[in-house]
Amino acid sequence: GEDVEQSLFLSVREGDSSVINCTYTDSSSTYLYWYKQEPGAGLQLLTYIFSNMDMKQDQRLTVLLNKKDKHLSLRIADTQTGDSAIYFCAEAWTGKLIFGQGTELSVKP
Amino acid sequence: DSGVTQTPKHLITATGQRVTLRCSPRSGDLSVYWYQQSLDQGLQFLIQYYNGEERAKGNILERFSAQQFPDLHSELNLSSLELGDSALFFCARTGGGLTGDTQYFGPGTRLTVL
Repeated sequence: GEDVEQSLFLSVREGDSSVINCTYTDSSSTYLYWYKQEPGAGLQLLTYIFSNMDMKQDQRLTVLLNKKDKHLSLRIADTQTGDSAIYFCAEAWTGKLIFGQGTELSVKP
Repeated sequence: DSGVTQTPKHLITATGQRVTLRCSPRSGDLSVYWYQQSLDQGLQFLIQYYNGEERAKGNILERFSAQQFPDLHSELNLSSLELGDSALFFCARTGGGLTGDTQYFGPGTRLTVL
């Protein structure tokens, strides 16, 4: 069935770039999403990419999509301590979202 | 602001009990989605309603049920609760427009079953 995989942890230093990776299985997904969840909080939509795009940039965020390899990545430039959170990628499949396990990003000062 | 209100924020109850979680999307949003987030299962889609009718069903237990009312708010009913039902329950609405069916999530209801 549909499956979305992410690595569980990433630790970076403040000011560095963070790259969070995700692989998905359903090649018919129209949109792919990145959500952020801070401790004790809900899911905040960060950005999305349409499946016919290779790249999307939104301020400090860059999303890269390799449709052939079904690989999605989120790059956060100049990572700040406030970026510490869990990041989820999700693919849209028949209207519902299939989420990865989430990547916990830890930013050290 | 996601445009989704969920009540209550926290719910503590005992095994065997029944609870109701409420979701109010932004005025005019026809779709609501329910998701469950637990440590062992991650984020899982439960069910979707569109304009009062069930549209899609995911990994929702038979002890759980939902409905959407004419004013488009939705309720998720959880019965015969077990310890393993402790989780964060999210409701989402769709933004529509150029972003397609992008889903915006409410703050969630944290359920603790003791």
